[in-house]
Amino acid sequence: AQSVTQPDIHITVSEGASLELRCNYSYGATPYLFWYVQSPGQGLQLLLKYFSGDTLVQGIKGFEAEFKRSQSSFNLRKPSVHWSDAAEYFCAVGTNNAGNMLTFGGGTRLMVKP
Amino acid sequence: DGGITQSPKYLFRKEGQNVTLSCEQNLNHDAMYWYRQDPGQGLRLIYYSQIVNDFQKGDIAEGYSVSREKKESFPLTVTSAQKNPTAFYLCASSSQGKTRNTIYFGEGSWLTVV
Repeated sequence: AQSVTQPDIHITVSEGASLELRCNYSYGATPYLFWYVQSPGQGLQLLLKYFSGDTLVQGIKGFEAEFKRSQSSFNLRKPSVHWSDAAEYFCAVGTNNAGNMLTFGGGTRLMVKP
Repeated sequence: DGGITQSPKYLFRKEGQNVTLSCEQNLNHDAMYWYRQDPGQGLRLIYYSQIVNDFQKGDIAEGYSVSREKKESFPLTVTSAQKNPTAFYLCASSSQGKTRNTIYFGEGSWLTVV
């Protein structure tokens, strides 16, 4: 069965520092991959998605993610974190051809130190 | 603006009462979804609908019911049979093409059962 693992439940970084959030998936076929961000008490906002092609995808708010098939990973990165990036981040894998049956990871809560 | 509207944002109900959460979208999406989110956890699929007048159970459908009488609307009823209904509920929608669909989320509804 498909699964998504986000190994880091909490991460704290200083403002201006670089960020990498890890995501590993288990899925038998080529996956569709997504990163969403959730501010407290709010819905999920799509940051970026990977369907095929270039394995480095750019998203909103200066985020990017790299699909590495050999490592079954889709890590999210940002070169310089802003205080407004503090939120919870969810990685998800689409597990059907249409890409709209999602399995979510447990989330990583990002805190930003001034 | 196009989007997904959930109401109410906050809802309190007594144990044993049924409650209905509203979800409306004006994105012209064929597919709609309901997810449940518990604190510190990822999202779990309750029900989804790919077309009007049709819907399927997700991973945790017990104690919930839905209807899809209009393309724009997908209300969720939390029944008294749901053993632990207090949670954050997220409605979502997507197009229903054969591939590469992306799910978009509403702002969520908090349900507290006392």
